[in-house]
Amino acid sequence: EVQLVESGGGLVQPGGSLRLSCAASGFTVSSNYLSWVRQAPGKGLEWVSFIYSDYSDGSTYYADSVKGRFTISRDKSRNTLYLQMSSLRAEDTAVYYCARVITSRPNYFDPWGQGTLVTVSS
Amino acid sequence: QSVLTQPPSVSGAPGQRVTISCTGSSSNIGVGANYDVHWYQQLPGTAPKLLIYSNTNRPSGVPDRFSGSKSGASASLAITGLQAGDEADYYCQSYDSSLSHWVFGGGTKLTVL
Repeated sequence: EVQLVESGGGLVQPGGSLRLSCAASGFTVSSNYLSWVRQAPGKGLEWVSFIYSDYSDGSTYYADSVKGRFTISRDKSRNTLYLQMSSLRAEDTAVYYCARVITSRPNYFDPWGQGTLVTVSS
Repeated sequence: QSVLTQPPSVSGAPGQRVTISCTGSSSNIGVGANYDVHWYQQLPGTAPKLLIYSNTNRPSGVPDRFSGSKSGASASLAITGLQAGDEADYYCQSYDSSLSHWVFGGGTKLTVL
């Protein structure tokens, strides 16, 4: 069964850093496209970041709202996806979901992890 | 503000049929870019789940009470035989060529009366 389990969320002060993890099972992170999507409290879904598979050069992409502050990466040996977040702002407060990306036109997200809550507050 | 527009809420009685619209533009789902639309269901307190992909296709396990369509710059999700368990938020998703990233509609809350 394909499954994703996020961890690493918590309370962090503005300007601080946090690293989210997304442990995958049932497939290998290195040979799949993956993304992070977030959802602010009571709000809709917002795409955050994307990483190509190693076979497709592993390029990364970011929403303008997080570019330069967030970094997506993966560890093949741990079969885990990461999101390193720095210079955090109050508006980054959200549940962060990782998702496998299925190639289509356009790509879509399936499945999703259960999410991990990040709260940026002093 | 989402580039894909959905009604904030819809409602229907058990057994009835409801539709949820998703309206875009030529830079995403309309003539021009003509990207497909995907739909997700988010039950209260849970993660989104893929409901319809590529306009009309249901993943394995999704009941045929759920169907999707697309015409021009609009897409629709139809739910027939409404059940209490269908109460959820529903999101459409596509890609915007002007923004160069994936986009979601603002979401529609379905209430079963």
